[in-house]
Amino acid sequence: QQQVKQSPQSLIVQKGGISIINCAYENTAFDYFPWYQQFPGKGPALLIAIRPDVSEKKEGRFTISFNKSAKQFSLHIMDSQPGDSATYFCAASKGYSTLTFGKGTMLLVSP
Amino acid sequence: NAGVMQNPRHLVRRRGQEARLRCSPMKGHSHVYWYRQLPEEGLKFMVYLQKENIIDESGMPKERFSAEFPKEGPSILRIQQVVRGDSAAYFCASSPISGIEQYFGPGTRLTVT
Repeated sequence: QQQVKQSPQSLIVQKGGISIINCAYENTAFDYFPWYQQFPGKGPALLIAIRPDVSEKKEGRFTISFNKSAKQFSLHIMDSQPGDSATYFCAASKGYSTLTFGKGTMLLVSP
Repeated sequence: NAGVMQNPRHLVRRRGQEARLRCSPMKGHSHVYWYRQLPEEGLKFMVYLQKENIIDESGMPKERFSAEFPKEGPSILRIQQVVRGDSAAYFCASSPISGIEQYFGPGTRLTVT
């Protein structure tokens, strides 16, 4: 049972464009939703995270939008840059607990 | 402040051998999580430990896999009698208290030949 579904699997965006990655979850007990960025050969790095008491969180060019009723959340990368090319994972956890990850989105930002 | 450290970074084992993966959490962190990443897949939780205690091992196979986090020294994930299906990247993460953000190490890439 895949508790966190992520789409698309891969994404190509032109430099300066907006990258959008979506995730849907099943477990209504989840209450912490982070996004991780992973470069080849490296470990995941926490990018931004949100809790369900807010509908949006913005940090620089990165924004999480959260829809509790639809059980969906998304990552928006504004003004995408070639250096943003990486694999992005959404995740969710219940309370102070272990993370359940989506399968990842491979983002390529073309120059 | 050094980040989470894992060693070795790459490990090659023949089928039937043992693999030992080490994780040193960030300074001041007492919670360690191990995750496994298969090619083209997200990370799957394996085990969550605090110093000298296993808190949750629900994601770890019952056979051949074990983990520990002793009072002194790194956390160790041990895989006995490795099989080809164990080939994956193994990541550990640490947090200062349960629920704060988890910080990941660079991973150990295990190849079973």
